[in-house]
Amino acid sequence: DAGVTQSPTHLIKTRGQHVTLRCSPISGHKSVSWYQQVLGQGPQFIFQYYEKEERGRGNFPDRFSARQFPNYSSELNVNALLLGDSALYLCASSLLSSGRTDTQYFGPGTRLTVL
Amino acid sequence: AQKITQTQPGMFVQEKEAVTLDCTYDTSDPSYGLFWYKQPSSGEMIFLIYQGSYDQQNATEGRYSLNFQKARKSANLVISASQLGDSAMYFCAMRENDSGTYKYIFGTGTRLKVLA
Repeated sequence: DAGVTQSPTHLIKTRGQHVTLRCSPISGHKSVSWYQQVLGQGPQFIFQYYEKEERGRGNFPDRFSARQFPNYSSELNVNALLLGDSALYLCASSLLSSGRTDTQYFGPGTRLTVL
Repeated sequence: AQKITQTQPGMFVQEKEAVTLDCTYDTSDPSYGLFWYKQPSSGEMIFLIYQGSYDQQNATEGRYSLNFQKARKSANLVISASQLGDSAMYFCAMRENDSGTYKYIFGTGTRLKVLA
């Protein structure tokens, strides 16, 4: 079975621009979460979506938004990019949003560089 | 206060020996989950093991086991019979319910190097 896929793999933007990152979950998984991982740190939780509804949100500014589509794929949008947004953006999918079945499986990530 | 604390930035272990990676956590949610992930240099996060707060027994998955001490709020990962391919970053993570929303918190990680 295919794992979590993310696109693009790498992305270079300039300050002030907008970016959209995409994620397709493992088949059958209804929950998608987004994380930001700055070099040398652990992932920071941004959002979780389950059945197209937001179920969790981390401490990120309103410049960050996301949505989940009927096929359970998801987009992460970041507006007004700052240099500090440069990071690896990880998407994870799971069956449900609680309990053991919330074990999250991660995609390969999108490396975003803001110049 | 840190929600997830991994106090070992780096660890060395001899091949075929066992190693314990430490993790302590802090939460007021009675129903939480604890996870360990491995991140090789390629960057992808690989799920290793899960422990629920109500699980009576310590979780095991092959060579991985979780030493869960609820009263001490610790969830240490034990890797038995270390292999060269185990060299990677290891992250402890927790899922908690915060005022009706789920949050996932990762520690700062431990870099494990297995020596031949």
